[in-house]
Amino acid sequence: SQTIHQWPATLVQPVGSPLSLECTVEGTSNPNLYWYRQAAGRGLQLLFYSVGIGQISSEVPQNLSASRPQDRQFILSSKKLLLSDSGFYLCAWSSKQGANTEAFFGQGTRLTVV
Amino acid sequence: AQRVTQPEKLLSVFKGAPVELKCNYSYSGSPELFWYVQYSRQRLQLLLRHISRESIKGFTADLNKGETSFHLKKPFAQEEDSAMYYCALSLGSSNTGKLIFGQGTTLQVKP
Repeated sequence: SQTIHQWPATLVQPVGSPLSLECTVEGTSNPNLYWYRQAAGRGLQLLFYSVGIGQISSEVPQNLSASRPQDRQFILSSKKLLLSDSGFYLCAWSSKQGANTEAFFGQGTRLTVV
Repeated sequence: AQRVTQPEKLLSVFKGAPVELKCNYSYSGSPELFWYVQYSRQRLQLLLRHISRESIKGFTADLNKGETSFHLKKPFAQEEDSAMYYCALSLGSSNTGKLIFGQGTTLQVKP
């Protein structure tokens, strides 16, 4: 069966420090991968999505970047964190097979920038 | 641009009352629409998809292309339905892979 792992679960980082959040998927190949930020009052905001290795689409201008070095690995990064980067980050995957396919979500990472 | 709008941040009803969570979308192509739910301390998960035309946990949703809506309905709310509900629009999982969500509606069912 397919599983998605996202870590760490919580993270407290000082302003100006770098960030690396990792997400890996098991049990499937060539998935679509997503990074979302969940904020109160703003819902689930799509940050990045990827349809393949090295293929990243960015949805909003921001201080963050994403990379997909391997088929089932998706990384969210920042060189210098801002206070406004605080939030709850969710990774997700979906299959390319067929239409109307379901997205599966990780447990999320609570990031607090201090 | 593609967009999903859920106009209500919070919907509070009494147990046994009907529920309707509103969702409108903006997309010029053929939409793939979903409702996702997040119960307290659980992962976000799929509730239903428009293509299935099914009822899950008593919830149904009908795609109205004329009104570009995909409202979620349940005739009699239960306390266990209390959760955050998100409407989502996919532009084609086998094509662009883009999947966007609305702002979410918190459903609170009071005893």
